[in-house]
Amino acid sequence: DGGITQSPKYLFRKEGQNVTLSCEQNLNHDAMYWYRQDPGQGLRLIYYSQIVNDFQKGDIAEGYSVSREKKESFPLTVTSAQKNPTAFYLCASSLDSSSPLHFGNGTRLTVT
Amino acid sequence: AQKVTQAQTEISVVEKEDVTLDCVYETRDTTYYLFWYKQPPSGELVFLIRRNSFDEQNEISGRYSWNFQKSTSSFNFTITASQVVDSAVYFCALSEGNFGNEKLTFGTGTRLTIIP
Repeated sequence: DGGITQSPKYLFRKEGQNVTLSCEQNLNHDAMYWYRQDPGQGLRLIYYSQIVNDFQKGDIAEGYSVSREKKESFPLTVTSAQKNPTAFYLCASSLDSSSPLHFGNGTRLTVT
Repeated sequence: AQKVTQAQTEISVVEKEDVTLDCVYETRDTTYYLFWYKQPPSGELVFLIRRNSFDEQNEISGRYSWNFQKSTSSFNFTITASQVVDSAVYFCALSEGNFGNEKLTFGTGTRLTIIP
């Protein structure tokens, strides 16, 4: 079955450490996205990529970095510069930027 | 700037009751798209519907229906004869016409609990 796989489901890190969240899709979608979800808030866009080897900052990119070396993969690194990294992170993809989003199951990151 | 308001934070209804989730939006564009997504306990958001601003026809899909009214800037979602599997967080979202998902604005979501 085609879909988006995010791993791990739960991630725990100490403050000051960088951590990378994995996102893989086998839907052959061009566009991929990373969102952050906090309690009581809507999803906020961190980074997006509309094509391989290209990505753009979203609304809350500070403290995060991404790469898009392969069409199917869009890993997100949460750096130590992110002041409040504890959150639920969702990866999504779409056929193109105007098509509906397909989401992964998310990674819950806890930084202490 | 575009904005989506889902004033109902949490709703609980008894199974088989009908329930309506409200969504009010703000945009200066005449061309825009409205969406509903469902987030079950498993975490992933599931696409339910997309409606463009030029199509005000209501839509029905099984037990789900959507009422789009430009006059009140609303895009409400009704579940008829609710079931326990409908329990989830529901998000309304808006994107303005010349932009795609990179400019998608989500509401804060409504948590729906169906009581068996």
